[in-house]
Amino acid sequence: EAGVAQSPRYKIIEKRQSVAFWCNPISGHATLYWYQQILGQGPKLLIQFQNNGVVDDSQLPKDRFSAERLKGVDSTLKIQPAKLEDSAVYLCASSLDQGGPTDTQYFGPGTRLTVL
Amino acid sequence: GEDVEQSLFLSVREGDSSVINCTYTDSSSTYLYWYKQEPGAGLQLLTYIFSNMDMKQDQRLTVLLNKKDKHLSLRIADTQTGDSAIYFCAESINYGQNFVFGPGTRLSVLP
Repeated sequence: EAGVAQSPRYKIIEKRQSVAFWCNPISGHATLYWYQQILGQGPKLLIQFQNNGVVDDSQLPKDRFSAERLKGVDSTLKIQPAKLEDSAVYLCASSLDQGGPTDTQYFGPGTRLTVL
Repeated sequence: GEDVEQSLFLSVREGDSSVINCTYTDSSSTYLYWYKQEPGAGLQLLTYIFSNMDMKQDQRLTVLLNKKDKHLSLRIADTQTGDSAIYFCAESINYGQNFVFGPGTRLSVLP
């Protein structure tokens, strides 16, 4: 079974530029998560989708971050414009069911973003 | 708000037991999790425990939960060099949503 795919793996941009990340979850997984992991910290949930609807985006900085999951399959996360403090690894995860407590999240390898 | 704390580093000798500790603040946490992150890789779920349990064992892993003190620990028996990684404690409020991760404990296993 193929895992969660993310691209690109690395991205370097200058502040005020825009960037987009792509995630393809495991086939058949209903729930998709985007996390931000700043160096030395644990992942912070940015947004959680169930199929193509948003379950939780309470920690998404909506003035600059946006995410979509058209057709309930793959997803893109965009930052526009980027700030220095956005430098982090962006992790995508998916789970089979409705995001319940025993519904295991499978993580992708992440996209490392550096903002100069 | 929710907060999860862990010590940042732990070194043990190969073959010894490792104990990684975690404290959390939200008493309404329903599930608590341990994840492992190896260099350059995503997080991997190791085990979880429901808040009405106080212990769970899974092969070399033992999870202990003290709800009164809001303290969670992960014991790895017979630690191997392949166990070297960062271990994250996480809590879930609202039955599987609102995951909050700790900062991670970097475990180094010395030969």
